[in-house]
Amino acid sequence: EPEVTQTPSHQVTQMGQEVILRCVPISNHLYFYWYRQILGQKVEFLVSFYNNEISEKSEIFDDQFSVERPDGSNFTLKIRSTKLEDSAMYFCASDGGNTGELFFGEGSRLTVL
Amino acid sequence: EDQVTQSPEALRLQEGESSSLNCSYTVSGLRGLFWYRQDPGKGPEFLFTLYSAGEEKEKERLKATLTKKESFLHITAPKPEDSATYLCAVQEGGGSYIPTFGRGTSLIVHP
Repeated sequence: EPEVTQTPSHQVTQMGQEVILRCVPISNHLYFYWYRQILGQKVEFLVSFYNNEISEKSEIFDDQFSVERPDGSNFTLKIRSTKLEDSAMYFCASDGGNTGELFFGEGSRLTVL
Repeated sequence: EDQVTQSPEALRLQEGESSSLNCSYTVSGLRGLFWYRQDPGKGPEFLFTLYSAGEEKEKERLKATLTKKESFLHITAPKPEDSATYLCAVQEGGGSYIPTFGRGTSLIVHP
């Protein structure tokens, strides 16, 4: 069964360092998302990506965040200068046709010290 | 104000004890309402999509229903393996199509 894969599963970094989280969405999907979930809180939307550009972003997705689809398979989230409050689980998701039926990866747990 | 409110926050059941989880929403022009299951430390797993009031979907011991203001996830004769957090998300029509999630209901089923 097709699945979304994310790496790394867990990353520990120092405050101020850059982090890149990687995702391989389901191959024939067209819509890609990053969500995050701070421990014990709800799943929050960060950004959506379609046709090689950002289609929508939330207030959380400020200038320190960026996304890229460098080739036909990878989808990355970069955090330029991490803060303590960026510690969270980051989920990548993909959608075949903007149906809202999202297929999530297992997540990347980011710990900022 | 949250667009999606789920209740209860937590629910403990005995194996075989049926119950319902609630998801109320305030978006206008609902495009779709989604139920997901999330196991600890894992990503949400898609369960159902509901589009219009009166619609029902079933999968094993789970049945999801939809009215104009809320959705219910009914769990019939639950088993311990049904223990998880159940998330509701809504997609608003006519504008942003981004699914917005509720805080979830944490379900524990005791053997």
